[in-house]
Amino acid sequence: DVKVTQSSRYLVKRTGEKVFLECVQDMDHENMFWYRQDPGLGLRLIYFSYDVKMKEKGDIPEGYSVSREKKERFSLILESASTNQTSMYLCASSNLGERAKNIQYFGAGTRLSVL
Amino acid sequence: GDSVTQMEGPVTLSEEAFLTINCTYTATGYPSLFWYVQYPGEGLQLLLKATKADDKGSNKGFEATYRKETTSFHLEKGSVQVSDSAVYFCALSEPSGTYKYIFGTGTRLKVLA
Repeated sequence: DVKVTQSSRYLVKRTGEKVFLECVQDMDHENMFWYRQDPGLGLRLIYFSYDVKMKEKGDIPEGYSVSREKKERFSLILESASTNQTSMYLCASSNLGERAKNIQYFGAGTRLSVL
Repeated sequence: GDSVTQMEGPVTLSEEAFLTINCTYTATGYPSLFWYVQYPGEGLQLLLKATKADDKGSNKGFEATYRKETTSFHLEKGSVQVSDSAVYFCALSEPSGTYKYIFGTGTRLKVLA
């Protein structure tokens, strides 16, 4: 089974702190994604990466950055956390190709509260 | 741009009732369509998918048919159980050139015993 592991289930941080959210997948997937999930808004894509050291902005990249130094690990960085970044953050990975059918596999999520 | 519209929830049903959650989409080309489910406290997991028109995806008693003429992918189950209580997300993915999904806003289902 594909496993996507997010390093923390719950985090509480203070305004202005630098925050790192870590995600690791064990299936050698090329693609990795960071979403945030908010009530009534569904999932919104923050950043994604289709290869090591490659990244592309999603729909809401402002206030975030990412790092992908190794294929299995994709980090989301909040440079200076703000209260409006309080949310559930979900990491996902996928492989392209006919057999893979572009299915995304998700981690359990990190619920971040910024005080 | 591409978009997915789901019926608003919450949807509350009694056990063994029939379930329909509507999903329509707007997309260029011929997207793949997905239903994901999120149980309380968990991430999303794939429920079913369809990759071309008239395909029917099915899993755990749930079904959805890719209707190109109505741009719809409605989720149905003939007899829901309490354990089906969760949030359901409809999503699309373009067939090539991008790896991204577009998600609907999610529909919360509550099944009462």
